[in-house]
Amino acid sequence: GEDVEQSLFLSVREGDSSVINCTYTDSSSTYLYWYKQEPGAGLQLLTYIFSNMDMKQDQRLTVLLNKKDKHLSLRIADTQTGDSAIYFCAEKGDSSYKLIFGSGTRLLVRP
Amino acid sequence: EAGVAQSPRYKIIEKRQSVAFWCNPISGHATLYWYQQILGQGPKLLIQFQNNGVVDDSQLPKDRFSAERLKGVDSTLKIQPAKLEDSAVYLCASSLNPPGQGAHEQFFGPGTRLTVL
Repeated sequence: GEDVEQSLFLSVREGDSSVINCTYTDSSSTYLYWYKQEPGAGLQLLTYIFSNMDMKQDQRLTVLLNKKDKHLSLRIADTQTGDSAIYFCAEKGDSSYKLIFGSGTRLLVRP
Repeated sequence: EAGVAQSPRYKIIEKRQSVAFWCNPISGHATLYWYQQILGQGPKLLIQFQNNGVVDDSQLPKDRFSAERLKGVDSTLKIQPAKLEDSAVYLCASSLNPPGQGAHEQFFGPGTRLTVL
């Protein structure tokens, strides 16, 4: 069945780059998403990538997709303390409208 | 543009009591979703509406959960009776595109944190 997995925790120093990884199992995924959740808030869509792309850049964010290995990553350049949050990877299959979320990666940015 | 509104933000009840949550989606968004997010997990879809019709409620525990979207705008989610394991954040989301069209971006509300004692 569909499954999305992420590492639980990442700690980086302010100004460094952060890389958050995600693996998924549905080979028919059409779109893959990265959401950010700050404490007490809902999920905010950061970026998404269509499955026929292998990279997408948006300001400080770079998404890399390895479709063969079903691996997705989010790189945040020049990480700031305001980037501290939980980051969720999600996928949408070709035949499904549902978003399947991972369990989230908690990013802690140390001053 | 106003975002997705939800109320209440927090609710504490005892098991076997009833509770209702309300959601107002972004204006013009025909698709509305309710998700359950248990602590430490990602959101899981409970039910999806397209206008006032149910598209998918396969993950909704129908013996105790119900949801409606009578006029195709606001929606309510009800739990009756609540169990301890229903403690979670209930997120409402809406999207402009119907399922299957485009990136299908979903916009989330702040959620209602439910604690069942």
